[in-house]
Amino acid sequence: GAVVSQHPSWVICKSGTSVKIECRSLDFQATTMFWYRQFPKQSLMLMATSNEGSKATYEQGVEKDKFLINHASLTLSTLTVTSAHPEDSSFYICSASMESLYNEQFFGPGTRLTVL
Amino acid sequence: RKEVEQDPGPFNVPEGATVAFNCTYSNSASQSFFWYRQDCRKEPKLLMSVYSSGNEDGRFTAQLNRASQYISLLIRDSKLSDSATYLCVVNRGGSYIPTFGRGTSLIVHP
Repeated sequence: GAVVSQHPSWVICKSGTSVKIECRSLDFQATTMFWYRQFPKQSLMLMATSNEGSKATYEQGVEKDKFLINHASLTLSTLTVTSAHPEDSSFYICSASMESLYNEQFFGPGTRLTVL
Repeated sequence: RKEVEQDPGPFNVPEGATVAFNCTYSNSASQSFFWYRQDCRKEPKLLMSVYSSGNEDGRFTAQLNRASQYISLLIRDSKLSDSATYLCVVNRGGSYIPTFGRGTSLIVHP
């Protein structure tokens, strides 16, 4: 149980285009979803926290107009990287959490974005 | 002081060795603590939650020291397959928002 999927698993795009990444909890309802970015040999950096039906809460330094997050249902959240540039190339990972004592997170397999 | 600090390593140990990692956190109000394992170019996977009383899962033992604000992970009888990066995660005090350490790299060699 507690499976999270992400789509696509990798994407290559031209500079200036927008890319949408989907995160789905397949067998549970996620009260909260998190979006992370990870550059090579660095730790996961939390970008934003989203709850179903409400606006995402962005971490300091993350541009909300560039990284659009929509959490339409308890099983789906999307991250859109708008007008992507080469510096946005990274490994984007989502995680989902359900209400529990310890709020464990279950991670999607990640999306590797390369912007040319 | 960073919110969550880990020694990046790498820790290079032979098979069968016992190895321990520490992780310190700055927010004394934090209530939830976890160890995750991340393999190269893969997503993190939960290894174990860390409970106040300490907990053990096979060869893995996790401890929490609230007074000194650190958690530890002990791996006994290391296997080659234990080679990975071990991430310490601490939820921010009074919330469920997680903060990840930069990870500790473990290399187990024959």
